[in-house]
Amino acid sequence: EAQVTQNPRYLITVTGKKLTVTCSQNMNHEYMSWYRQDPGLGLRQIYYSMNVEVTDKGDVPEGYKVSRKEKRNFPLILESPSPNQTSLYFCASSRRGGPSSGNTIYFGEGSWLTVV
Amino acid sequence: GQQVMQIPQYQHVQEGEDFTTYCNSSTTLSNIQWYKQRPGGHPVFLIQLVKSGEVKKQKRLTFQFGEAKKNSSLHITATQTTDVGTYFCAGTGNQFYFGTGTSLTVIP
Repeated sequence: EAQVTQNPRYLITVTGKKLTVTCSQNMNHEYMSWYRQDPGLGLRQIYYSMNVEVTDKGDVPEGYKVSRKEKRNFPLILESPSPNQTSLYFCASSRRGGPSSGNTIYFGEGSWLTVV
Repeated sequence: GQQVMQIPQYQHVQEGEDFTTYCNSSTTLSNIQWYKQRPGGHPVFLIQLVKSGEVKKQKRLTFQFGEAKKNSSLHITATQTTDVGTYFCAGTGNQFYFGTGTSLTVIP
């Protein structure tokens, strides 16, 4: 089954404690991205990757890091989480060129992150 | 900043009533996509429009792309409880942006 898998699905952590949210897709997609969803703000892009070893900032990259060492994986790293990073996070993937090229976005199930 | 605005933010309708959400961009869009997110779920692709003035239908859902390719709408005829969720538009201007979404509640 074609899917985007992210873990953990739910996490409560403390300010300053580094955490990683993993993301893996089995569709051989070149494009991957991370979004956060907050009430009234919709889906805002954090980082995206057009292919292996190529990453770019989205609209809200501050406080986050990503890496794309393998095609299937695109982890999101919060080096020093703060309460304003409490949010619902979605990993997503798409075919070469991403949605700007008219390709559909496939989302993971989402990760609820609470930073206290 | 956000280049794709969506209204209304919330909409409550009685089951059987119609529903429309509107998407407006400050720039011309090369394409526009619509997604639906069920409560507690993740966004799922519904459709893509690319041509000026394009209209597409999926059963009770009608999608339109404006002549100037700066706006779009999603209209649901005779809503059902299964239509509950948040509807997002997303378009490509100088970048790809999601709209802020419209949360639809259907009252049985």
